[in-house]
Amino acid sequence: SQQGEEDPQALSIQEGENATMNCSYKTSINNLQWYRQNSGRGLVHLILIRSNEREKHSGRLRVTLDTSKKSSSLLITASRAADTASYFCATSTNSGSARQLTFGSGTQLTVLP
Amino acid sequence: DAGVIQSPRHEVTEMGQEVTLRCKPISGHDYLFWYRQTMMRGLELLIYFNNNVPIDDSGMPEDRFSAKMPNASFSTLKIQPSEPRDSAVYFCASSPPWTGGVEQYFGPGTRLTVT
Repeated sequence: SQQGEEDPQALSIQEGENATMNCSYKTSINNLQWYRQNSGRGLVHLILIRSNEREKHSGRLRVTLDTSKKSSSLLITASRAADTASYFCATSTNSGSARQLTFGSGTQLTVLP
Repeated sequence: DAGVIQSPRHEVTEMGQEVTLRCKPISGHDYLFWYRQTMMRGLELLIYFNNNVPIDDSGMPEDRFSAKMPNASFSTLKIQPSEPRDSAVYFCASSPPWTGGVEQYFGPGTRLTVT
């Protein structure tokens, strides 16, 4: 099974609402990243949080990391229709190469206008 | 500034044919990654290079797959012979040296269909 598993698999909200996506992983990590993928496009890096950090902000994005629970959450505040995309968490572990990212299966977010 | 460039964007080929996918990383990036994305298996790392040298190819599914990086601005992923189960979207990504290869920038992908 994949290192990162996102929850929920799909999320549909109204424009202006907040969207929260969760990611759980199995082994110790060096860092965790969130990526966005619009339909038919490549992945876009959103934010990286290191294992010694607990929270990070970037614009309307807020990421938390709880290493004791091996979980992370991505919060998008005041969502817009343009936020509609798939969101993936990716982990970099302590074993093997730190450059090897293991991606979760993604959360499909739909923001309704 | 151009991002990662991949060609072709779409490829349809018959089983048994050779397929070559191409990638031009972002200038100045010293890491290059090849991924494959399918509905069943998600996004999988196939191989990555650092300074044009293959570092880890443990994700390459079998000997039918090969990748090269002859210089810092070009890489190819070749499948010979292709099979229907190779149908997927293949992404190339590059990463700048100041992130140690961790923060990756993806190309638009090549959608491969093998009939």
